[in-house]
Amino acid sequence: GQQLNQSPQSMFIQEGEDVSMNCTSSSIFNTWLWYKQDPGEGPVLLIALYKAGELTSNGRLTAQFGITRKDSFLNISASIPSDVGIYFCAGPHSGGGADGLTFGKGTHLIIQP
Amino acid sequence: DTAVSQTPKYLVTQMGNDKSIKCEQNLGHDTMYWYKQDSKKFLKIMFSYNNKELIINETVPNRFSPKSPDKAHLNLHINSLELGDSAVYFCASSQGTSTEQFFGPGTRLTVL
Repeated sequence: GQQLNQSPQSMFIQEGEDVSMNCTSSSIFNTWLWYKQDPGEGPVLLIALYKAGELTSNGRLTAQFGITRKDSFLNISASIPSDVGIYFCAGPHSGGGADGLTFGKGTHLIIQP
Repeated sequence: DTAVSQTPKYLVTQMGNDKSIKCEQNLGHDTMYWYKQDSKKFLKIMFSYNNKELIINETVPNRFSPKSPDKAHLNLHINSLELGDSAVYFCASSQGTSTEQFFGPGTRLTVL
């Protein structure tokens, strides 16, 4: 089945630093999604990407849909304490959205004081 | 005004018991899902329901059965609970074939 490889697994950064994480797939995706999960909560959609090469921003977050359609990147600029959490990339499970999502294993973001 | 809600938030039970988790969405969506998140935070799709029809059942034991009384609800019934069923279960919803899914707060199931 489809697999999403997400890296890094965890990041320890200082407040104010920029963050980059990425996701690669063994197969082509038509949609890439980035979610964030806070402790004890469900994942929250941050950014959705629908076209190869697309670059989309949401505040300090910027995500890109790789030109090969097999990867995506998420950048966070000037990190703040509330950015702490787990970031997941995701894509349609079997090509169609109604089949659910395949998730990467997540990037744990930890901000050191 | 919660979009996707689940009850209970926590569920602790003994092996062999039968339990249910409820999910409701007030977004007017017509597709709902159940995901399982294991101790390593890996999220995996279990079921999706569109207009009361099961679309996918992803290698889930038949002890798990989703039940949708109407478009706004998708409940998860689990029979003969096993230790390995301990996890956090998330309900989600979307409109049609949209991949933009909205998740509930999760139910942490602990089987002793």
